[in-house]
Amino acid sequence: EADIYQTPRYLVIGTGKKITLECSQTMGHDKMYWYQQDPGMELHLIHYSYGVNSTEKGDLSSESTVSRIRTEHFPLTLESARPSHTSQYLCASSELASGRVTEAFFGQGTRLTVV
Amino acid sequence: QKEVEQDPGPLSVPEGAIVSLNCTYSNSAFQYFMWYRQYSRKGPELLMYTYSSGNKEDGRFTAQVDKSSKYISLFIRDSQPSDSATYLCAMNKYGTSYGKLTFGQGTILTVHP
Repeated sequence: EADIYQTPRYLVIGTGKKITLECSQTMGHDKMYWYQQDPGMELHLIHYSYGVNSTEKGDLSSESTVSRIRTEHFPLTLESARPSHTSQYLCASSELASGRVTEAFFGQGTRLTVV
Repeated sequence: QKEVEQDPGPLSVPEGAIVSLNCTYSNSAFQYFMWYRQYSRKGPELLMYTYSSGNKEDGRFTAQVDKSSKYISLFIRDSQPSDSATYLCAMNKYGTSYGKLTFGQGTILTVHP
């Protein structure tokens, strides 16, 4: 079983609030990712990090921001939540490995509802 | 146009049936192909991956890739109720990290006893 944890699992919050979704992994993986998944839709990469102090935006534009101060921790922040941010957010990690395929491990996700 | 197309189903089959799940893709830069399984209220977990055309078998699961047709498949033999989940195809491009994935929409599968 993957050792990657997301909190909270479910969050209902009012418009305009600042929120931080937590993601931690205990596998020592260098690479971490955030995906967004709307109901019935595909996962889209919104942020990724190749290591401490490294963050990049993914394929899908997002108003959220991320930080990577510690290897094991990759939080996602929304400064002012809006109903359009309602979605499921999935965190993943993979190890740095050259020459062989390594899998990405996913957390259980945070289901965010902004009312 | 989406880079990866997957029939969302839903697909409902009796226990013991052979299930075929498929994805097509448009970008020939995709080199690694994966199938993830996602149970309700859980994160996706990797089932199989392959990086070449042909078949790869793992127990009741067979992954098939046809790069010339840009088509991948997952076959499940002797399907069980525990196989009921959403199946996601995913792929990534050569030279990118294995977590930077482009996903299909997912196919919801229900196997009824």
